[in-house]
Amino acid sequence: KAGVTQTPRYLIKTRGQQVTLSCSPISGHRSVSWYQQTPGQGLQFLFEYFSETQRNKGNFPGRFSGRQFSNSRSEMNVSTLELGDSALYLCASSLEGQRDGELFFGEGSRLTVL
Amino acid sequence: AQSVTQPDIHITVSEGASLELRCNYSYGATPYLFWYVQSPGQGLQLLLKYFSGDTLVQGIKGFEAEFKRSQSSFNLRKPSVHWSDAAEYFCVLNGGSQGNLIFGKGTKLSVKP
Repeated sequence: KAGVTQTPRYLIKTRGQQVTLSCSPISGHRSVSWYQQTPGQGLQFLFEYFSETQRNKGNFPGRFSGRQFSNSRSEMNVSTLELGDSALYLCASSLEGQRDGELFFGEGSRLTVL
Repeated sequence: AQSVTQPDIHITVSEGASLELRCNYSYGATPYLFWYVQSPGQGLQLLLKYFSGDTLVQGIKGFEAEFKRSQSSFNLRKPSVHWSDAAEYFCVLNGGSQGNLIFGKGTKLSVKP
């Protein structure tokens, strides 16, 4: 069974640009969650999608958005990039959502903003 | 407010020695608690979880954790560490106001040969 796949793995952008990250969950998983990981703040919750609907959202500005498609694949978008957006963005999938805690993580997309 | 504290940022142990990683939580009800491991350049992997019942839970890779309500702790243990255990370990609480998981800051484990 294939794991969670995130693309691209690495990318470099400049301030003001926008970026789209993609996540393909494990087959059959309906929930996709996104987390931002930085050395200073650790892992912070961005949002969770379940069956194409945003179920929960963390405390991030509106520049961070996401969506989920009918095949459960998810994308997140960050507009007007800032230096502080440099981070590892992790996607996690699960059968029913974060509440049961058993998330399967991808290897992440490392974003560097110059 | 709900929170997870991992007091040790970095721990070094010798291969073959025992390991205990500390975790304290703050939560008003019975928590759901987890330990995840992140190897260098990798995503996170679930080691074990506690929902209810037996307070000593067994996980993968020979790890176990003990839930102690009186101490608000959920410490991770392993009797004999292997070099491949070098990684960062996260204690996690299911208790976020948005229904999300709350991660501790992590403990980085180094293993000496």
